[in-house]
Amino acid sequence: AQTVTQSQPEMSVQEAETVTLSCTYDTSESDYYLFWYKQPPSRQMILVIRQEAYKQQNATENRFSVNFQKAAKSFSLKISDSQLGDAAMYFCAYRAQKLVFGQGTRLTINP
Amino acid sequence: EAGVAQSPRYKIIEKRQSVAFWCNPISGHATLYWYQQILGQGPKLLIQFQNNGVVDDSQLPKDRFSAERLKGVDSTLKIQPAKLEDSAVYLCASSRGGADTDTQYFGPGTRLTVL
Repeated sequence: AQTVTQSQPEMSVQEAETVTLSCTYDTSESDYYLFWYKQPPSRQMILVIRQEAYKQQNATENRFSVNFQKAAKSFSLKISDSQLGDAAMYFCAYRAQKLVFGQGTRLTINP
Repeated sequence: EAGVAQSPRYKIIEKRQSVAFWCNPISGHATLYWYQQILGQGPKLLIQFQNNGVVDDSQLPKDRFSAERLKGVDSTLKIQPAKLEDSAVYLCASSRGGADTDTQYFGPGTRLTVL
């Protein structure tokens, strides 16, 4: 079975600084998709960024970028120029047949 | 474009009672998902519909949980009877199709507390 592991239950960063959230996954599939979702206190899951496993180029979305290491089964999220509105739970997710989520990392932004 | 709508936002019930949650997906989205998110964990898929047919319900506790999607639009998730361990946030999501390439869009969820 596919599993997703986020080893950092909590992270904090100073406003305007850069932070990296870690994620590893286990799969025997060769074709799959990886996602980072943000869940603020409102509970609504918001897609931050997605990566297709067949693409070697790392995905970027404005201040958000990923470091995708397929051989190592690693998929970290880098947030640059952190803003107060980035504070939330961040979930890494994997999808081959269905979406499987990690346990989440709570990100705190210090002003 | 309106997002995924869910109601109610909060529900408190006694154990052994019944409860139902409603979801209205984004217009035109063929695929609908129900997830259970226990406090401190990531969401877990309960059931996936493609139009009004069930694609995956392998993790749905069928002795107490049921779901339907009549007419391939709105969906209802029911728990009967509820147990203490059912306390969680129930998230509904929808996507345009059912392909792996499709992004899932989530609703605000229903927080269920079972006393």
